[in-house]
Amino acid sequence: EDQVTQSPEALRLQEGESSSLNCSYTVSGLRGLFWYRQDPGKGPEFLFTLYSAGEEKEKERLKATLTKKESFLHITAPKPEDSATYLCAVCSNDYKLSFGAGTTVTVRA
Amino acid sequence: ETGVTQSPTHLIKTRGQQVTLRCSSQSGHNTVSWYQQALGQGPQFIFQYYREEENGRGNFPPRFSGLQFPNYSSELNENALELDDSALYLCAMQTGGYYGYTFGSGTRLTVV
Repeated sequence: EDQVTQSPEALRLQEGESSSLNCSYTVSGLRGLFWYRQDPGKGPEFLFTLYSAGEEKEKERLKATLTKKESFLHITAPKPEDSATYLCAVCSNDYKLSFGAGTTVTVRA
Repeated sequence: ETGVTQSPTHLIKTRGQQVTLRCSSQSGHNTVSWYQQALGQGPQFIFQYYREEENGRGNFPPRFSGLQFPNYSSELNENALELDDSALYLCAMQTGGYYGYTFGSGTRLTVV
């Protein structure tokens, strides 16, 4: 069974204080690893897909990286609008997404 | 606006009742999935439909059932509601060839 573990559960940052979120996974046949952002009461918003170890993707202050066992989401110089829950998910051979519990990021001005 | 629309946005039901949740998209997607997200948890896979046939199911009992229609819209039906069914229900449609899924804003179901 595919498993995804995210750490830490919660992260409180000062505006401008860079940090990283971790997603470790075990999966039978990785078709893709996804990062989503979720605001309270809303559906997940797509950020990145990573397909193979060594791959990196960037979007504004966010950068996602992938190894064979984990992925990192780096937040550089965060702003209060980056406050959200960040979800990691893996897609395996059956095309379903298996999610972690998420990391809730709070950025204070 | 994600292009995936879910209705209703909020719903309150009594234990034992039945409920139908709906999902549609402005453009056609031949794969639709449903997820249940309890408070403070990540979404859990319920089932997936491809070209109107169920082609994958998570650890949910048969009282959770679904349909996908020729216009690619979908329904999630739950019978005999239990208090633990209270959650955010998310519909996701597969977009393009990168195995990505676009989620709707969800339906918040409260069972009392």
